[in-house]
Amino acid sequence: ETGVTQSPTHLIKTRGQQVTLRCSSQSGHNTVSWYQQALGQGPQFIFQYYREEENGRGNFPPRFSGLQFPNYSSELNVNALELDDSALYLCASRLGGQGQSLYGYTFGSGTRLTVV
Amino acid sequence: AQSVTQLDSQVPVFEEAPVELRCNYSSSVSVYLFWYVQYPNQGLQLLLKYLSGSTLVKGINGFEAEFNKSQTSFHLRKPSVHISDTAEYFCAVSETFNTNAGKSTFGDGTTLTVKP
Repeated sequence: ETGVTQSPTHLIKTRGQQVTLRCSSQSGHNTVSWYQQALGQGPQFIFQYYREEENGRGNFPPRFSGLQFPNYSSELNVNALELDDSALYLCASRLGGQGQSLYGYTFGSGTRLTVV
Repeated sequence: AQSVTQLDSQVPVFEEAPVELRCNYSSSVSVYLFWYVQYPNQGLQLLLKYLSGSTLVKGINGFEAEFNKSQTSFHLRKPSVHISDTAEYFCAVSETFNTNAGKSTFGDGTTLTVKP
């Protein structure tokens, strides 16, 4: 059983650019969430996708968007990058429906994004 | 709205000593509670969770936590720590009936350092 795989592991972008981060969910998981973890802080919820539809969103602007594909892999897209977007981006998957899961998430190792 | 406060940002302890990592939460509705561990350059791993029932929850690696509803706390304990327990620990809450599906609110983490 494979876990959650994220790519790339590290990335450096210039302010104003766009970035796409990728996540391959754990086998059998149909729900994926994305989190932003700034240095020295806990993860902040960005959004969740269930069966290719966004069904939950945190306090992030619309320039943060995502996709989930039929194989349940997903992407996080960030447009017009700002310096404060520098963080570790975590993808987490689980098996479940639209509501809360009883099982918790399986997290990937994250993508470290640096905006200069 | 919900919030999580981890009362200690850093906890140094000697090997084989007991440890307690403190977590308080605030929510207007009933919640699920989680503890995660994050090793350097890795994602989050679920240690244990409280969903309902017995207030004493046992997890992996010898950790346990006790849910105290009146004090809105969910402190993590281990009777005897090892060097390998050195890591960042995060407390998280999720509303049991959440229209914003998938959202977990995390504390800012506690760095546990186990010294020989």
